[in-house]
Amino acid sequence: DADVTQTPRNRITKTGKRIMLECSQTKGHDRMYWYRQDPGLGLRLIYYSFDVKDINKGEISDGYSVSRQAQAKFSLSLESAIPNQTALYFCATSERAGRTMYNEQFFGPGTRLTVL
Amino acid sequence: LAKTTQPISMDSYEGQEVNITCSHNNIATNDYITWYQQFPSQGPRFIIQGYKTKVTNEVASLFIPADRKSSTLSLPRVSLSDTAVYYCLVGDIVDDKIIFGKGTRLHILP
Repeated sequence: DADVTQTPRNRITKTGKRIMLECSQTKGHDRMYWYRQDPGLGLRLIYYSFDVKDINKGEISDGYSVSRQAQAKFSLSLESAIPNQTALYFCATSERAGRTMYNEQFFGPGTRLTVL
Repeated sequence: LAKTTQPISMDSYEGQEVNITCSHNNIATNDYITWYQQFPSQGPRFIIQGYKTKVTNEVASLFIPADRKSSTLSLPRVSLSDTAVYYCLVGDIVDDKIIFGKGTRLHILP
């Protein structure tokens, strides 16, 4: 969805480097999420934020940190990247519950990260 | 969060109706059932959501029996472009920390 953008789209880095993945949205949604996807597997939730002051750990938060700089921006950081963090990373947004008929998440195009 | 079980993969042919069933025996009273579609190297895309009985939109239908312990996504007259992974999710519409499983890899053959 063009309303949710992720930068960079592709990144190759080395073990031990600090990496930041950025997500921006123009949908005006309160809720934002970071997922990772490994080949042949489904998406796993890393962190989620229901508003600027509310950040929560997901299933696999170890080795990751996040920052919600504004309603529209949610960044994911790998403080010291390791090879098993090589994956496809997706950002998603959703409206606050009760504002829409469906509880739908809108996904960005993904960032392919390779850690050598 | 309710765990879901769905087939790992399915094959079908163009023009056929495809039904993908998902089991969610531990679904809670406040949980909704949602299906997403994901094409290679793209983020998932919402298809349909329901609570009970039948829901239909321009893309698919969702059938939910009275006990809500399973649901069936129905795709009418599939085409090659429907080849994708389909995820069944169950979660509270308020606390929407939903969990994606591995999904069903649907392969449409000509």
